[in-house]
Amino acid sequence: NAGVTQTPKFQVLKTGQSMTLQCAQDMNHNSMYWYRQDPGMGLRLIYYSASEGTTDKGEVPNGYNVSRLNKREFSLRLESAAPSQTSVYFCASTPWRGRGTGELFFGEGSRLTVL
Amino acid sequence: GQQLNQSPQSMFIQEGEDVSMNCTSSSIFNTWLWYKQDPGEGPVLLIALYKAGELTSNGRLTAQFGITRKDSFLNISASIPSDVGIYFCAGHQSNAGGTSYGKLTFGQGTILTVHP
Repeated sequence: NAGVTQTPKFQVLKTGQSMTLQCAQDMNHNSMYWYRQDPGMGLRLIYYSASEGTTDKGEVPNGYNVSRLNKREFSLRLESAAPSQTSVYFCASTPWRGRGTGELFFGEGSRLTVL
Repeated sequence: GQQLNQSPQSMFIQEGEDVSMNCTSSSIFNTWLWYKQDPGEGPVLLIALYKAGELTSNGRLTAQFGITRKDSFLNISASIPSDVGIYFCAGHQSNAGGTSYGKLTFGQGTILTVHP
């Protein structure tokens, strides 16, 4: 089973460039999330989508946009990349809508470097 | 925002030793979870705890949900080299209506190194 698949796995951008991180899950999960991981900071929520057609901001949304394209796919876009967005990005999903229990399934991560 | 204080930040141990790490919060959580992240991979759920006072085991792992609902600990017994990785605690807090969207608050992580 593929689970949660993220592309690309690695990307180097110049300041001001734009890019989209793609995420797809094949587990028929309702809710999907984008986190960033920085050394010593744990995982911080950027945006989430509780169900198809809805998105909402997390803890650190500035500089990002998201699209829940359908139930399977949730993309993260950087319109004008900045060095502060150098990080490892994780997509995650969970089957629950409503009474969620936090049991997330994570992708393998996308390592982004902004020069 | 909410913060979880996870300690220790890193541990260097010998194979066969027991390991203990914990997480504390100023806020109450309804669920505590422990995840492990192998190098180059995404976090994977190890144990989920749903009730205050609950003690749960998963093989060599044991975790407890603190009575105050503001803390949790994870123990690993008889460590082996494949235990190497980053361990994260996470808290989940439902709102008063019981609805939630899996928004977790994560600790900073404990980096575990096991020497053979």
